[in-house]
Amino acid sequence: RKEVEQDPGPFNVPEGATVAFNCTYSNSASQSFFWYRQDCRKEPKLLMSVYSSGNEDGRFTAQLNRASQYISLLIRDSKLSDSATYLCVVTPGGFQKLVFGTGTRLLVSP
Amino acid sequence: EAGVAQSPRYKIIEKRQSVAFWCNPISGHATLYWYQQILGQGPKLLIQFQNNGVVDDSQLPKDRFSAERLKGVDSTLKIQPAKLEDSAVYLCASSSPGRSYGYTFGSGTRLTVV
Repeated sequence: RKEVEQDPGPFNVPEGATVAFNCTYSNSASQSFFWYRQDCRKEPKLLMSVYSSGNEDGRFTAQLNRASQYISLLIRDSKLSDSATYLCVVTPGGFQKLVFGTGTRLLVSP
Repeated sequence: EAGVAQSPRYKIIEKRQSVAFWCNPISGHATLYWYQQILGQGPKLLIQFQNNGVVDDSQLPKDRFSAERLKGVDSTLKIQPAKLEDSAVYLCASSSPGRSYGYTFGSGTRLTVV
């Protein structure tokens, strides 16, 4: 079983739509959780951290459910510029290394 | 603040040849990582350095891959001999100790083995 599992997509949505991505992780000792964004042929960049209390950054909302070992990302009012691959990332307990999911590809169309 | 520098940006080699990649992390970042990203997959950690010591190399194919970080600054990753399945983007990242959220990735080196 992979440490971090995501639906690879692609998710095709029209501009203005709301879209949600989910991810599950297998290591219950995981300590930190993130969503990264990766544009085509570019390096991954941190989108936001994920907390149990949930956090929001503009149109983006992330949520962590430790009991279910489940992480989500909600994007409201999708823009063309949101088209990218969204990587779910966890850190194993006590280590700084990042463990990435395969990523979910999002395509926003006019 | 200057970012993580990597070179070369692209490399095409034949199988069984050797290749080396170079990384210069952000000044002051003690922790340096090499990740391998195969097309369609997320990045996978190959090796993690803390200053010039290895913290984690459990997923480094040591029969063909080697890495060093001299003087705790620059790092090189070498593949010898290369296989077709080594075709990937090799990403270098650095962070301050204890800060998983303080990662910065370089632009990567895209390796094609033919």
